Amino acid sequence: DAKTTQPPSMDCAEGRAANLPCNHSTISGNEYVYWYRQIHSQGPQYIIHGLKNNETNEMASLIITEDRKSSTLILPHATLRDTAVYYCIVSANYGGATNKLIFGTGTLLAVQP
Amino acid sequence: DAGVTQSPTHLIKTRGQQVTLRCSPKSGHDTVSWYQQALGQGPQFIFQYYEEEERQRGNFPDRFSGHQFPNYSSELNVNALLLGDSALYLCASSSNSGRKETQYFGPGTRLLVL
Repeated sequence: DAKTTQPPSMDCAEGRAANLPCNHSTISGNEYVYWYRQIHSQGPQYIIHGLKNNETNEMASLIITEDRKSSTLILPHATLRDTAVYYCIVSANYGGATNKLIFGTGTLLAVQP
Repeated sequence: DAGVTQSPTHLIKTRGQQVTLRCSPKSGHDTVSWYQQALGQGPQFIFQYYEEEERQRGNFPDRFSGHQFPNYSSELNVNALLLGDSALYLCASSSNSGRKETQYFGPGTRLLVL
């Protein structure tokens, strides 16, 4: 079973920030938080991941709470092309070896014009 | 730099047949994982290959088998196909080095079993 809980759907206005929450209250010390998204019928696209510090890249920012029990993915300026299912996943990464990713049902983000 | 590639893109088989799906990892990657995604669900982990050995396996029957070649490419084989095997099959590659590595997915092979 997935170790994360996400809302099934969210709406966001185009041009505004999209904040996608994720709860992972049973996360272990060696588990990273990963975010992927999947646009209809395509392969999942990697967005960002982190262990305990906040992370930012060209796509998004990842904010992890101090107790690591929850996180938020932020898309700073959502566009219509950001409409997708967003998956939050926790997985161990043992010294470079990538563990299996256990997907839940994700959050369907609908960006509205 | 080519990403993860999969072939074929679509496939139609009948019950009882066997199928082979192929995956070429991203350049520089040595680990390949396979996932099955049924309609309306998230991907489910099938197994992972590294150094031509199956390293991890999910909850899938022995009808699902795989292989990794010396060039790191991989095949997924499914025997005795069932209607329930109809799904999008995803390959993901990663590198067994570095702490910031993650898995990158291919576009998938859509299998329909009639």
